[in-house]
Amino acid sequence: DTGVSQDPRHKITKRGQNVTFRCDPISEHNRLYWYRQTLGQGPEFLTYFQNEAQLEKSRLLSDRFSAERPKGSFSTLEIQRTEQGDSAMYLCASTMGQGHSPLHFGNGTRLTVT
Amino acid sequence: AQSVTQLDSQVPVFEEAPVELRCNYSSSVSVYLFWYVQYPNQGLQLLLKYLSGSTLVESINGFEAEFNKSQTSFHLRKPSVHISDTAEYFCAVSERDSSYKLIFGSGTRLLVRP
Repeated sequence: DTGVSQDPRHKITKRGQNVTFRCDPISEHNRLYWYRQTLGQGPEFLTYFQNEAQLEKSRLLSDRFSAERPKGSFSTLEIQRTEQGDSAMYLCASTMGQGHSPLHFGNGTRLTVT
Repeated sequence: AQSVTQLDSQVPVFEEAPVELRCNYSSSVSVYLFWYVQYPNQGLQLLLKYLSGSTLVESINGFEAEFNKSQTSFHLRKPSVHISDTAEYFCAVSERDSSYKLIFGSGTRLLVRP
């Protein structure tokens, strides 16, 4: 169990640029979640996958955001035309999806939009 | 829609003192309840959870939480805290549906002083 891995750890980008984050879940985990956390707040649910299927998206996920999980393994979260309000910590979590097994979180990708 | 309220953004206590971190939730359906902890520069970790059965649940490091359905609360307690308990604590709720997604509170920073 190597844990959930997220890359990069930090990303600084200029407003209007596109960014992509990657999440590698624990290998046998079939469920994968993306959350966003801003300073002083708890994580906010964005979207989740069961295997390669994206089953739910939050209203927080505007059209500029897209997530994929090809082949049901790693996942990517892309933000197009970034805005300053997108600055946050983006967290990925995975779980076996059997009953309510605990979510395992990665250390996150911190995005700063200047 | 579900929501979680953690009224205390920061709780300072002296080492070996008891502590209670408050959590109230709102939901129209049955829920599962969780406490996650985030130590400095680390990812979120599950501390304890209530799924069913006994309303009092315990963690391995001395924390406990009690599910109170009538008061819709899930307060976290520890009779004697250590410096190493300094961290951010997040209460979370999950509806008993198939997504198992977590809705988090805004967090309470526990600051243990010597």
